[in-house]
Amino acid sequence: DVKVTQSSRYLVKRTGEKVFLECVQDMDHENMFWYRQDPGLGLRLIYFSYDVKMKEKGDIPEGYSVSREKKERFSLILESASTNQTSMYLCASSLLAAYNEQFFGPGTRLTVL
Amino acid sequence: SQQGEEDPQALSIQEGENATMNCSYKTSINNLQWYRQNSGRGLVHLILIRSNEREKHSGRLRVTLDTSKKSSSLLITASRAADTASYFCAAYQGAQKLVFGQGTRLTINP
Repeated sequence: DVKVTQSSRYLVKRTGEKVFLECVQDMDHENMFWYRQDPGLGLRLIYFSYDVKMKEKGDIPEGYSVSREKKERFSLILESASTNQTSMYLCASSLLAAYNEQFFGPGTRLTVL
Repeated sequence: SQQGEEDPQALSIQEGENATMNCSYKTSINNLQWYRQNSGRGLVHLILIRSNEREKHSGRLRVTLDTSKKSSSLLITASRAADTASYFCAAYQGAQKLVFGQGTRLTINP
C-alpha cells in the first residue's frame, strides 16, 4: 500500500520561529510537491522537486524554502514563520512521467501565533 | 490560476440518491483527475480520465469528459454517508504542475 507520511498532524509555532515540515514517501517516486490549502483559495503549489537536490518554485514560494537530500524525503522550511502562514500544508508525490496521479499525505495543520 | 472549477460549491442529498458534480477547465488537457478529501485530511485520488476517453467507471463512480466543452462530470451513484467529503477536479498546466479547482463539498444526509 502506497504511503506518504508527514511529520506532524498539528503544529503550533510562534511568529519568527523557523519551522520544518517533513514529508516521506515509500513509493520510490521521483516527484514530490508541497501545497498549502486555505478556505476560498483552494490548493496552491509552493514548491516541487523532480529529483534529489532539485527544486522548482510553484505559485507561492515566498517565505518558504525546501530541501530534498534523499529521494524519499522532501522538507518544507518556513525561515521565519508569520501569522499569514497559518494553513493546512499538504505533501504529495508522483512518478516522474508527466501527467500522473499524485499521492497525498494526511496534511499538517500549522498555526502561527 | 485555476485549471478546473467545480459546480456546485456545495451539495446536500439524501443517502441512496445520486450525486453529480461538474468541472470546467480552461486549456487543453492530457487528462483530468478527480480527488476526494475527507474533512481535515489529505486528498485521495479517485479516477483519471484521458483526453481521448469520453466516459470511465470505477465502482459507484462514473466520470464523463467533453473536451469540446472543456467540462467533466463526476457521478456518485447510490450515495452513502461515507461519501461525505469535498471533491476536486484537477488538470495539468504543463507536464508536472497539477492545478486543482476549489472543490464541491458533498454532504450525504442519513
